[in-house]
This record gives sequence, C-alpha cells and structure tokens, in this order.
Amino acid sequence: AQSVTQLGSHVSVSEGALVLLRCNYSSSVPPYLFWYVQYPNQGLQLLLKYTSAATLVKGINGFEAEFKKSETSFHLTKPSAHMSDAAEYFCAVSSQAGTALIFGKGTTLSVSS
Amino acid sequence: DGGITQSPKYLFRKEGQNVTLSCEQNLNHDAMYWYRQDPGQGLRLIYYSQIVNDFQKGDIAEGYSVSREKKESFPLTVTSAQKNPTAFYLCASSRRSTDPFYGYTFGSGTRLTVV
Repeated sequence: AQSVTQLGSHVSVSEGALVLLRCNYSSSVPPYLFWYVQYPNQGLQLLLKYTSAATLVKGINGFEAEFKKSETSFHLTKPSAHMSDAAEYFCAVSSQAGTALIFGKGTTLSVSS
Repeated sequence: DGGITQSPKYLFRKEGQNVTLSCEQNLNHDAMYWYRQDPGQGLRLIYYSQIVNDFQKGDIAEGYSVSREKKESFPLTVTSAQKNPTAFYLCASSRRSTDPFYGYTFGSGTRLTVV
C-alpha cells in the first residue's frame, strides 16, 4: 500500500531564509511523487513532480525537491523564502495504474518579515 | 483557457437535505476525482471515475453519490446520510488514471456548510 507522511504540520521561517518541507513515502514499486501548493480557499496547484527522469526536480516559484530512494524521501526546498510563499503544501504519491493520488496531511508554511 | 469549474463556491445545507456540487472540465481529461478536505487531515478521496459511466469508491464514500454521464461532468451529491458534511470539496481531473505521470488539475473548490 502507498502512503505519504509529511513531517511537521506547521513550519515558520523568516523572509530570505531556507525553506525545507519534509515528505516521506511508502511504496512497494517505484513511485511518482508530487508537491502541490494551496492558497486559502483555492484549489491545489502543481509545484513539481518526480517521474524517475532525474532525482533533483525543479519546479515553479524557485522550489525544488530531491528524490532519495534510500531514505524514501522527497523533501521540498527553496533557498530564500518570500512572503508570497505562505500557503499550505501537500506531498502526494502515485504508483499504481488506475488508482488515485494519495495525499499527505499538509504542511502550512508561514513567512515572517 | 481550459480548466475545471466547480460551482457553487459556497453552499449551505439544512439538516436532512441532499445537495449536489457541480464539477465541469474542458481539458478533455478521461479521469475525474472528488476529494474532501478538513483542517489537519489533508485530502481524502471520496469517489473517482476513469471513464464515462464508470466510477469507484474512495476511502470515504459513505453518504455520497456520483454520476459520470458525460466526459466533461462529474457531479457529487452529498446525501442526508452524510452526518458531518461541513468541509471543503475539491474536484480534480487527469489525462488518464492509468498513467500517473501527469498529476492532476484541480478546481477552486466548494465550501459546504451545514446550517
């Protein structure tokens, strides 16, 4: 069975600081992994996705994530936080054809000036 | 521009009522999904459909029903059997559920409140 665990329901950083949001997955087969962002009262927007082409994936808005099979992790990072990055972030996994994405419980990112 | 339209944005339901949430897409996507979002619980799958006239239950299907009569439309009915329906409901679509590479496109959601 697939599952996703996001460590830390709330992360707070200062503007300009490194952003690190953690995601660990469980899958018996090579997974496809996704990060989505959600702003208040809106739907989810795709940030980036891992599909086995490269372990370091670059996404929109300066975010990137690294797939580490040995650690079963897919952590999301951004070198310098901006106020506009404040939102909720979801990690998701899919590895079985014909099934739906499994989402983590989300991490709320707060950015202070 | 192609996308997914959910309506209404806000919906109020009285006790014992059935209500239907609309989801329409013009992306020519084969698969469509309904998720429920509650604070601190992430997104939980209610139903999904891979093709027209076919759908499968997700993890929390009790108290909900769906139909998929057209490729573009996947309405969700919240029945009176759903005892705690207050939540944010998200509809999504993907090119093919059998190819997880593509990920999903999401609508902007419907917030349902029981009054």
